[in-house]
Amino acid sequence: AQSVSQHNHHVILSEAASLELGCNYSYGGTVNLFWYVQYPGQHLQLLLKYFSGDPLVKGIKGFEAEFIKSKFSFNLRKPSVQWSDTAEYFCAVNGNTGKLIFGQGTTLQVKP
Amino acid sequence: GAVVSQHPSWVICKSGTSVKIECRSLDFQATTMFWYRQFPKQSLMLMATSNEGSKATYEQGVEKDKFLINHASLTLSTLTVTSAHPEDSSFYICSARDGTGVDTQYFGPGTRLTVL
Repeated sequence: AQSVSQHNHHVILSEAASLELGCNYSYGGTVNLFWYVQYPGQHLQLLLKYFSGDPLVKGIKGFEAEFIKSKFSFNLRKPSVQWSDTAEYFCAVNGNTGKLIFGQGTTLQVKP
Repeated sequence: GAVVSQHPSWVICKSGTSVKIECRSLDFQATTMFWYRQFPKQSLMLMATSNEGSKATYEQGVEKDKFLINHASLTLSTLTVTSAHPEDSSFYICSARDGTGVDTQYFGPGTRLTVL
């Protein structure tokens, strides 16, 4: 069965700090990988996605993620966070079922 | 583009009543829609997959008779919580896949259900 694990449940950073959120998945076949963000009081928005090709994927708002197949990982990064990045971040995977399996989510709090 | 709406955004009902939640894809046709449930401070749990014109596929542990799903058109899916009880109180979120071959789900804003 597919599963997704996000290592950091709650991250607190100061503005301008660098961010890396871990995501590992468990699935032996070809996967599509996603990072979604949920700002307070808002709905889930797609940050970025990986289907194939360049394993370094750039998304919106300066976020990027790197797919490392050998480590089953898809970590999210941003070189310099802003207060407006405060949100809940979800890593998700879908394999051949087409269903999205979500990680537990990481709450990011950025202090101004 | 790729906007998904839900209605209502929040609803309060009495125990034993039924509540219908609508999910619409506004600017694309969604051959497949998904219904999730999200508990406070937790992740999304897939409840069911809804395909236009066919019966929904429910995840293990989800009562199909309690959570009725209808996907009557390419832009509308409905979730009806029947005989609602306080334990059904939750945040229900739908998503839609546009079926263009790029396998991305777009999420609605969610519906907060409170059962008294």
